[in-house]
Amino acid sequence: EDKVVQSPLSLVVHEGDTVTLNCSYEVTNFRSLLWYKQEKKAPTFLFMLTSSGIEKKSGRLSSILDKKELFSILNITATQTGDSAIYLCAVNDYKLSFGAGTTVTVRA
Amino acid sequence: DTAVSQTPKYLVTQMGNDKSIKCEQNLGHDTMYWYKQDSKKFLKIMFSYNNKELIINETVPNRFSPKSPDKAHLNLHINSLELGDSAVYFCASSPPTRGGSPDTQYFGPGTRLTVL
Repeated sequence: EDKVVQSPLSLVVHEGDTVTLNCSYEVTNFRSLLWYKQEKKAPTFLFMLTSSGIEKKSGRLSSILDKKELFSILNITATQTGDSAIYLCAVNDYKLSFGAGTTVTVRA
Repeated sequence: DTAVSQTPKYLVTQMGNDKSIKCEQNLGHDTMYWYKQDSKKFLKIMFSYNNKELIINETVPNRFSPKSPDKAHLNLHINSLELGDSAVYFCASSPPTRGGSPDTQYFGPGTRLTVL
C-alpha cells in the first residue's frame, strides 16, 4: 500500500524562526509531490514538485524533492504567526495520497 | 467568486439518518473528488469522478454513494449514518492533465458532519 509519512507531527516555534518539514513516501507510480497549507478550512495549494533537486520558492516558503531518497522538505524562513497551520504533503500516483500533516504553531 | 463550493457547511444529524452533501465547481474542471478528513486530520480520498464517470472508488462502505449529474457537480449521499462517519468532508476538483492523473487540486470549504 502506498505510504506518505510526514515529520514532525507538530512543532511550536517563535516568530522569526526557520522551520523544516519532512515528507517521505513510498508509492508505485510516482508522478508528483504536492504541498498544501490548511488553516481553518480547505487545504490551499503551495507547491508541486516533479523533478529532483529543483527548488521551488514562493516568498519565505521553499521546497525541494529528492526522488532517489524518496523525500521532500518544505522550509519556512522568518516565520510569522500567519504561518500557523497544518502543512500537508501529498503524492500523486494517479490519485493523491496525503500524509497526516505537520501542525505548525508560530508564537509571537 | 467561489471556485469550489459545498453545502451545507455544517450538518448535525442522528445515527441511522440519510443525508446528502452537494458540491459544485465553476472552474471548468473535468475531475472531481470527495475526501474525508477525520479527527486526526488525516485526509483520505473516497471517490473520484472524471466527466461524470467514476474512476476511483477507495474502500468506502457502500452506504456512501456519489452522484455526478454533470461534470460541474458531485454530490455525496450517505445512508444509515454511523458515529464513525463524523468528519469533515471535502470536495475538490482538478483540471485535465496529460496522462489523466491529478496534479493541482482545488478544495471546497468542507462540510463538517456530526453524527449523534
